Amino acid sequence: GDSVTQMEGPVTLSEEAFLTINCTYTATGYPSLFWYVQYPGEGLQLLLKATKADDKGSNKGFEATYRKETTSFHLEKGSVQVSDSAVYFCAHLQDSSASKIIFGSGTRLSIRP
Amino acid sequence: DSGVTQTPKHLITATGQRVTLRCSPRSGDLSVYWYQQSLDQGLQFLIQYYNGEERAKGNILERFSAQQFPDLHSELNLSSLELGDSALYFCASSVAPGGRANVLTFGAGSRLTVL
Repeated sequence: GDSVTQMEGPVTLSEEAFLTINCTYTATGYPSLFWYVQYPGEGLQLLLKATKADDKGSNKGFEATYRKETTSFHLEKGSVQVSDSAVYFCAHLQDSSASKIIFGSGTRLSIRP
Repeated sequence: DSGVTQTPKHLITATGQRVTLRCSPRSGDLSVYWYQQSLDQGLQFLIQYYNGEERAKGNILERFSAQQFPDLHSELNLSSLELGDSALYFCASSVAPGGRANVLTFGAGSRLTVL
């Protein structure tokens, strides 16, 4: 069945370091892909999305490119800040008729000053 | 404030009991989703409603039920509670029933502790 696999955390980096959080998916058809972020004590909120192959989603300095050939949607940021400390979830929506969004297990990111 | 309101924020109860979690979707959103977030299971999709009708079902136990009312708020009922039901329960809403552009707006969650 459809699934999303993301790198296990926790990930701890120093401020201004480069960030990559890996995400791969299995799905039939052409899913839409998302990254959601959960700050401490809050619900999830959309960080970025891509709806077709080779699309690049970006927001707040974060980027992810929809790679159909490798079924991946890795999250990257060139220079992280302490305020980026949160749990990051990769997710996919199977196709244009689907409504169930499947989430990965989440990756906790901690940034040291 | 995301616009999705969940109550209560925290709930502590005993095994065997029944609780109801409530969700008011963001204004204009017709679809409501329920997710369970536990430490060992991640974020699990439970059920979705669109404009009062059940739209999709996930890993929802038979002891759990939900509904969406005419004013679009939704309730998740959890009965015969077990220790393993302790988790954060999130409600999310969206404008559409599904589709490529579908983006979920999440509430802050209801934390359930079963003792």
